[in-house]
Amino acid sequence: DAGVIQSPRHEVTEMGQEVTLRCKPISGHDYLFWYRQTMMRGLELLIYFNNNVPIDDSGMPEDRFSAKMPNASFSTLKIQPSEPRDSAVYFCAIGTGVGETQYFGPGTRLLVL
Amino acid sequence: SQKIEQNSEALNIQEGKTATLTCNYTNYSPAYLQWYRQDPGRGPVFLLLIRENEKEKRKERLKVTFDTTLKQSLFHITASQPADSATYLCALPPWGNNRLAFGKGNQVVVIP
Repeated sequence: DAGVIQSPRHEVTEMGQEVTLRCKPISGHDYLFWYRQTMMRGLELLIYFNNNVPIDDSGMPEDRFSAKMPNASFSTLKIQPSEPRDSAVYFCAIGTGVGETQYFGPGTRLLVL
Repeated sequence: SQKIEQNSEALNIQEGKTATLTCNYTNYSPAYLQWYRQDPGRGPVFLLLIRENEKEKRKERLKVTFDTTLKQSLFHITASQPADSATYLCALPPWGNNRLAFGKGNQVVVIP
């Protein structure tokens, strides 16, 4: 988990509420990735940034999902409105390239009731 | 599209034995392949990378092979210990317009 801080670690919310997940990469890597992990679908890439610029958001499931990276040390993933099917563990990861070794944060476990 | 397959059934193994996991892929010709370890409640942690021109790679008690003809990688944990109990994921680099793709992982349980 070294190199990436995620908050909150756990989030329980009700359907329809807005959820904001946060990621703070500590070390200097040019790429930042947001993943979602479920038992059924495994680890899915949602979006990734290169030098704070969103490069590929084709994995974002719907318009309800949005992500920003205002600077090199902070990124957010927002779900508005949230739905029960969004329940999953969301990981932020950093790396030096799209196919290179990635360093994951501890994840945020989201439960939408 | 490319597909990555790992055994969905947990591998239960006696301490001291060798655990062997399989990662198969289709419609794909990766230049390299990665293996990660994931513990409950934690993010995946990088273990090993093996390139297509390397038949075998070792790191301590871990050994990875890469057979580009069979489109398969094998992951071995020798002299397994209870601390090796975790889920192990293989990952393949982007090909074409695709991104780094992870298998669903294979759980290993080492029984003392």
